[in-house]
Amino acid sequence: TQLLEQSPQFLSIQEGENLTVYCNSSSVFSSLQWYRQEPGEGPVLLVTVVTGGEVKKLKRLTFQFGDARKDSSLHITAAQPGDTGLYLCANSGTYKYIFGTGTRLKVLA
Amino acid sequence: DAGVIQSPRHEVTEMGQEVTLRCKPISGHDYLFWYRQTMMRGLELLIYFNNNVPIDDSGMPEDRFSAKMPNASFSTLKIQPSEPRDSAVYFCASSLWGRYNEQFFGPGTRLTVL
Repeated sequence: TQLLEQSPQFLSIQEGENLTVYCNSSSVFSSLQWYRQEPGEGPVLLVTVVTGGEVKKLKRLTFQFGDARKDSSLHITAAQPGDTGLYLCANSGTYKYIFGTGTRLKVLA
Repeated sequence: DAGVIQSPRHEVTEMGQEVTLRCKPISGHDYLFWYRQTMMRGLELLIYFNNNVPIDDSGMPEDRFSAKMPNASFSTLKIQPSEPRDSAVYFCASSLWGRYNEQFFGPGTRLTVL
């Protein structure tokens, strides 16, 4: 069974700082998705990456898929309080999704 | 458009009672998923349906759990009898056919079993 480890587990930073969170897999991803979950809500899709080495940008968020398709990173530039939430990576290669352990981010104003 | 609708949003019950969680997927979506989220185990897939047919229920923890999808617009997850370790947030999600398609999650049902 594929295991997805995310790091760090918790992150508390000041508004305006940059940060990077990571997702590492025990096996190759066929495709990977990043979701953000706000308190009291369900996860919401941010991005899907498919090709090794792929980089996607979504405003201040930059997503990178490792060349070997076993890891991914999410970089946030100039974090804002609205970025607060739980960030989850998921193996989306089949309908039997496997979600990572999550990184809980808090951005302080 | 309405998103995925779940009810109730909160449920508090006593050990041994039957609990039924309800989900209305997004109209036109042909896949429906039930997840459970806890601090210890994260977000776990319990079961998923395609065109109302259960495809994979290997994530259902025990026989006390059952799920049905009688039509394209309604699904239930039932726990009988409930136990304190079933306390969690249960999410329903739906998606359209396609290899990388987005899953749309409902707001979840927070279940507390005393």
